[in-house]
Amino acid sequence: GEDVEQSLFLSVREGDSSVINCTYTDSSSTYLYWYKQEPGAGLQLLTYIFSNMDMKQDQRLTVLLNKKDKHLSLRIADTQTGDSAIYFCAESGDDKIIFGKGTRLHILP
Amino acid sequence: EAGVAQSPRYKIIEKRQSVAFWCNPISGHATLYWYQQILGQGPKLLIQFQNNGVVDDSQLPKDRFSAERLKGVDSTLKIQPAKLEDSAVYLCASSLNFYPGQVQETQYFGPGTRLLVL
Repeated sequence: GEDVEQSLFLSVREGDSSVINCTYTDSSSTYLYWYKQEPGAGLQLLTYIFSNMDMKQDQRLTVLLNKKDKHLSLRIADTQTGDSAIYFCAESGDDKIIFGKGTRLHILP
Repeated sequence: EAGVAQSPRYKIIEKRQSVAFWCNPISGHATLYWYQQILGQGPKLLIQFQNNGVVDDSQLPKDRFSAERLKGVDSTLKIQPAKLEDSAVYLCASSLNFYPGQVQETQYFGPGTRLLVL
């Protein structure tokens, strides 16, 4: 079945760039998403990319998609303390969204 | 625009008791989803409604879980009787629409209900 894999933890110094990686298995995925979840809150959609694109930039966020390798990444430039959260990668094909287990981003002072 | 509302935010019950969660989606959103998020994992879809009809409930443990969306707007999810392994955050999400065989509309999530079963 479909699967989405992410590393569980990432520590980054404040002001540096964060890169969160994700791999997926469903070659028919049409949309790929990044969601952010802060403590005690629901998931907030950060950005998404169509599968026929290889890059999307939105302010401090850059999404890179390598469709051949089924690899998705989220780069956060100039990481701030407010970026501390769990980031979920998700993919959808025709019917449902499949989420990864999330990457916990920890910001070092 | 108001977001997805859920209540209660927290619930603590003993095993074998019953519990119900409520969700009010974004106005005008035809599609409503219930997810279970166990600690340390991503959300898992339990059930998806399109208006008041069920689109997908393949991962809903139907012996103990039930959900309804009678008027096609708000929805309730019930667990009866609860087990220890039901401890999780229950997230509700909504999207504008759902078209079988076509790309998914963006889902918007509520804050979730955190359930602890003792």
